[in-house]
Amino acid sequence: GENVEQHPSTLSVQEGDSAVIKCTYSDSASNYFPWYKQELGKGPQLIIDIRSNVGEKKDQRIAVTLNKTAKHFSLHITETQPEDSAVYFCAASTASYDKVIFGPGTSLSVIP
Amino acid sequence: NAGVTQTPKFQVLKTGQSMTLQCAQDMNHEYMSWYRQDPGMGLRLIHYSVGAGITDQGEVPNGYNVSRSTTEDFPLRLLSAAPSQTSVYFCASSPPGTREQYFGPGTRLTVT
Repeated sequence: GENVEQHPSTLSVQEGDSAVIKCTYSDSASNYFPWYKQELGKGPQLIIDIRSNVGEKKDQRIAVTLNKTAKHFSLHITETQPEDSAVYFCAASTASYDKVIFGPGTSLSVIP
Repeated sequence: NAGVTQTPKFQVLKTGQSMTLQCAQDMNHEYMSWYRQDPGMGLRLIHYSVGAGITDQGEVPNGYNVSRSTTEDFPLRLLSAAPSQTSVYFCASSPPGTREQYFGPGTRLTVT
């Protein structure tokens, strides 16, 4: 079946450094790629998303890039802060509501 | 707005018992969905609804039933609980015309 791979599974960075999380998807019909942040004991929260007709999107310290040819998309966090520590999930979905596939998650730790 | 609310927060069931996980949203969102989250597997779609009276299956629907009698409520029923249904369950909703999902705080279910 369709799947989304996500790497790395854990990531530890020093405060102020950048963090990059990469995802690969298999369904070529995917056209919407959101990223969610999940803090301990809470539900996932959408932090940024990108659609297939855009190659890059930025929102303050967070950016997402998409390479549709290679079926890759990545999350970039610059100037990391301790409050960025959380689990991050990527997802890929098609226009069909039942085709929403999440990656397994990346646990990010930002060390003060 | 309270957003997406879920009850209960924690539940322990014995094998074979039934129960209903409650989900409600006060944002007038048409689309609602249920996910389960297991370690190392991300979130997997169980059932979803595009509006009152309309429900459909996601990736892992077996053992679960849903109904959508109102726009606000989307309960998830476990008919005969099994240890394999031990998981954290999240409900989510989306505004009309978008794919952004707003998640509830989750229900942690243990089946012994």
